[in-house]
Amino acid sequence: DVVMTQSPLSLPVTLGQPASISCRSSQSLVHSDGNTYLNWFQQRPGQSPRRLIYKVSNRDSGVPDRFSGSGSGTDFTLKISRVEAEDVGVYYCMQGTHWPLWTFGQGTKVEIK
Amino acid sequence: QVQLVQSGAEVKKPGASVSVSCKASGYTFTNYYMHWVRQAPGQGLEWMGIINPSGGTTTYAQNFQGRVTMTRDTSTSTVYMELSSLRSEDTALYYCTRDQGDYWGQGTLVTVSS
Repeated sequence: DVVMTQSPLSLPVTLGQPASISCRSSQSLVHSDGNTYLNWFQQRPGQSPRRLIYKVSNRDSGVPDRFSGSGSGTDFTLKISRVEAEDVGVYYCMQGTHWPLWTFGQGTKVEIK
Repeated sequence: QVQLVQSGAEVKKPGASVSVSCKASGYTFTNYYMHWVRQAPGQGLEWMGIINPSGGTTTYAQNFQGRVTMTRDTSTSTVYMELSSLRSEDTALYYCTRDQGDYWGQGTLVTVSS
């Protein structure tokens, strides 16, 4: 089974400063169709998860451009260029390459210092 | 607009079964697989399985094999997740989500307590 490992698990950030979350998979996430199905989700307190990024680097509609995704193969990164108060929550990476099985990372809790 | 609306909270005794529904609207129901994901209190997201609303075929996570059943009713665009032999560790929020996670239900809290 694919294991997704995020770091750090806790990320205190000063408002207006950048933040970066790493996600590593135990197997390559490159699908036979050439796509890499690595998604990022944000879960604000008391809310359902919300997809921010799909296929490594594509922002979903309505997602602020301060969020960006990058990476390839087994190493991926979510970056927030300037953290705002509304960005507080837990962020998860998820692989959908080894479909139909999904695997989530453990989650990274972003909080304001 | 796409919506996934789940059934309300449930309280069950250990050993019982629970069924959670997820009604889809705003898109062609049979065109998108549906996943179920759960989240225990204060914990991360755990994938439970997937159903093809078109043919009804399913794949379940190994952790839930033998205890979970996912079904669908195409006449009402609804998918169902039934979990049996409930134990206290099954206390969690249960979410339905469309394939690749672009839309999620609001979550259904299932509490297992004697």
